[in-house]
Formats: sequence, structure tokens, C-alpha cells
Amino acid sequence: KAGVTQTPRYLIKTRGQQVTLSCSPISGHRSVSWYQQTPGQGLQFLFEYFSETQRNKGNFPGRFSGRQFSNSRSEMNVSTLELGDSALYLCASSIHEGEQFFGPGTRLTVL
Amino acid sequence: QKEVEQNSGPLSVPEGAIASLNCTYSDRGSQSFFWYRQYSGKSPELIMSIYSNGDKEDGRFTAQLNKASQYVSLLIRDSQPSDSATYLCAVRDNAGNNRKLIWGLGTSLAVNP
Repeated sequence: KAGVTQTPRYLIKTRGQQVTLSCSPISGHRSVSWYQQTPGQGLQFLFEYFSETQRNKGNFPGRFSGRQFSNSRSEMNVSTLELGDSALYLCASSIHEGEQFFGPGTRLTVL
Repeated sequence: QKEVEQNSGPLSVPEGAIASLNCTYSDRGSQSFFWYRQYSGKSPELIMSIYSNGDKEDGRFTAQLNKASQYVSLLIRDSQPSDSATYLCAVRDNAGNNRKLIWGLGTSLAVNP
């Protein structure tokens, strides 16, 4: 069974730009969660989608948004990028509230 | 604020020894607990999940859960240099409909040959 895939793997953007990251979950998984990981901050929860509905949301500003499609694929968008948005963005899929399986991540660098 | 706490380490053990990683959590109602391993530059990888008090063994790994004391631990027997990584503890929030995972900051483990 194929694992979680994320595209792109690496991105370099400048301040003020916006970015869209994509995540394809494991087949049959309907829950997709997004995390931001920076050195010293650990995994910071962004949001979770289940059956195209946002089920949970972390404490991030409105510049961070997401959506999920009918095939469970998910995208997250960050608008008006700031230097502090440089991080590894991880997507994880699961069956309902079960174990989460992570994709390889997208490393975003904001210059 | 619900929290999951781990000793950041680094925890250093010699090859072949038992590594013991600990995690405490604040939400007494939590029912689901997970251990992940993360190698430098890679994404977290699930090692074990545990839902009931007691021990759960999988190969060289044993997860231990004590809900009364609100801690969960991970034992790695016969530690190998390839076990050197950061180990993340995650606990599922059990409050109402908000069931997201709450993560510790991780414990860095170094296994010395």
C-alpha cells in the first residue's frame, strides 16, 4: 500500500508571497492532519480534515488555511508569507481517530 | 492547556543496553497513546500505540502505560546505533469533539557503539 505523499518536497519563496502544499493520504484514510515543525518548537498542529470538513484547528493565524477534496487529498495554503513561516510542513493521514502516518514533508524556506 | 512532557535529553546509552524513554501527560481522560521515532531530516514514524494499562511488546520495543500516574514509557532493548533518533510521545485529547493529538517535544537518544 502506498504511503502518504506530499508535494513539493522543497520550496523557496520570498516574504509576501503565498504557497500551496499538497498531500495525498494512504488509500482508505479519510483524516488528514497538517503540522508545522521547527527546531525547538516540536510539532505544532495546524488543522485536521475529515470527509472534506475541518474537524480541528490549531492556534495559527488566518493566513494558514486548508481544504480537503472528495478523494481525501488535502491542500494547505499560506498567504502573505513571513520569515517565521520557514519550517518543515508535515501531513499525516489516519483512519478516523487512529494511528497517524506521516508523509515525507515539505521544507519551506522564506527569504 | 493540556500538555505532554518529555525529557529532551540527550539520553546516551551504550550499544546493547536498555534505553528507557518517559512521557507524562496532563489530561487524565486520555485513552490513546503513541510513540513515534524521527530521524534527523526525516518525518516521524509510528513505533507503537497503546490503549490499556500495562505493557505492550513489539520486538525490541515495549510500551508501558500507567493511567493512574499519567505516564507512558518506551523501552528499547538491545539498543543499536540505528536507534539513535528523537522519540516523540503523542497523546490523544479526549475532550468532547476535540480529539487532536497533543505532542511532546521529544527525547533525543544516542546509542554509542
